Amino acid sequence: QLQLQESGPGLVKPSETLSLTCTVSGVSISSSNYYWGWIRQPPRKGLEWIGNIYFSGSTYYNPSLKSRVTISVDTSKNQFSLKLSSVTAADTAVYYCARHFWEPYSSSWYLFDWGQGTPVTVSS
Amino acid sequence: DIQLTQSPSTLSASVGERVTITCRASQNISSWLAWYQQKPGKAPKLLIYKASSLESGVPSRFSGSGSGTEFTLTISSLQPDDFATYYCQQYNSYLMCSFGQGTKLEIK
Repeated sequence: QLQLQESGPGLVKPSETLSLTCTVSGVSISSSNYYWGWIRQPPRKGLEWIGNIYFSGSTYYNPSLKSRVTISVDTSKNQFSLKLSSVTAADTAVYYCARHFWEPYSSSWYLFDWGQGTPVTVSS
Repeated sequence: DIQLTQSPSTLSASVGERVTITCRASQNISSWLAWYQQKPGKAPKLLIYKASSLESGVPSRFSGSGSGTEFTLTISSLQPDDFATYYCQQYNSYLMCSFGQGTKLEIK
């Protein structure tokens, strides 16, 4: 059974870099047709797609965050990670990792399975 | 950018009622739309993909319809477990996806 588990600091100082890791169990992160990525949800707000990665290392990011986001993968550990630089209070949110299903006819994804989410607060 | 607008933002209904939530896209997205259910403190759960395909394990009282710019999620007979927030998500944009603002379904 697939499980995704986010981990990382729950508190990050303004201007620093937020770093989170998602550990995948129950399926190989190298499976074809699946991408692995991140979504966030500020308090009492909706969902925002951050970006994703294929096991080969190809990455795709939300243009609104692209300049500050890096997603990487470690297939040996069955993990992928998120780094978000120069954070501000606006980056305070619950961060979810999720398995993305690739739809070749639209060249985009929907989100198959989600981790439980991890809250991150940006504050000094 | 494709904008998704859900209506209503909040919906009050009773157990056993039939309810419909609408998602409108700012441009044609064919059938590339998914629906998710989110309960407080939990991750979203995929209900519907490709506008009308029911995800495995999702009760048949949930159904989706529409294409182009207007889509609906219908719950045929509300159950106590269905009170949650529902989001639509488009996956028509090249290498990008985005969500509606959500519809909160409350108990009347």
